[in-house]
Amino acid sequence: EAGVVQSPRYKIIEKKQPVAFWCNPISGHNTLYWYRQNLGQGPELLIRYENEEAVDDSQLPKDRFSAERLKGVDSTLKIQPAELGDSAVYLCASSSTRGRGNIQYFGAGTRLSVL
Amino acid sequence: GQSLEQPSEVTAVEGAIVQINCTYQTSGFYGLSWYQQHDGGAPTFLSYNALDGLEETGRFSSFLSRSDSYGYLLLQELQMKDSASYFCAVGGSYIPTFGRGTSLIVHP
Repeated sequence: EAGVVQSPRYKIIEKKQPVAFWCNPISGHNTLYWYRQNLGQGPELLIRYENEEAVDDSQLPKDRFSAERLKGVDSTLKIQPAELGDSAVYLCASSSTRGRGNIQYFGAGTRLSVL
Repeated sequence: GQSLEQPSEVTAVEGAIVQINCTYQTSGFYGLSWYQQHDGGAPTFLSYNALDGLEETGRFSSFLSRSDSYGYLLLQELQMKDSASYFCAVGGSYIPTFGRGTSLIVHP
């Protein structure tokens, strides 16, 4: 079974440029998460989807960040325009079980550098 | 809100036992999870406690005391490959929140 796939793995852009990240979750997983992880910190939730519905986006900076999950499968996270402080690793995770600890399976992440 | 506290760094020698503590504050509680993350890698699930007590999975065990809002991860027979960051996480109100992580350094 394939894991969570993210692309690209690395992205270097100049500030004020747009950038997009893509995530393909594990087949059959209805819950999808986007996290941001700064160096030396734990993952911070940006948005969570149940199927195609965003059920928690309180921590998503909506002035510049947007996300979508069309057809409840793949998801895209976009930043426009990017700022220097957006440099981080963006992780996507998926899960299918609400019962037992909601085990999350993470992708390898996209490392974003904003210059 | 939710917050978790764990030590920033723990060091140990190969073959030893190490305990990583985690205290949490959360409104609503959906269990305490532990994840491992190697440098440049993805976090991977290790263990989960919904109820008080000890859960054992091979060399790793996790403990929870809900009355104390406290848990720990116990790693036995440490190996060099266990050098990584370890995160505790809670799902209070079903919003997953991770601690800042504990960097475990295993020396030969």
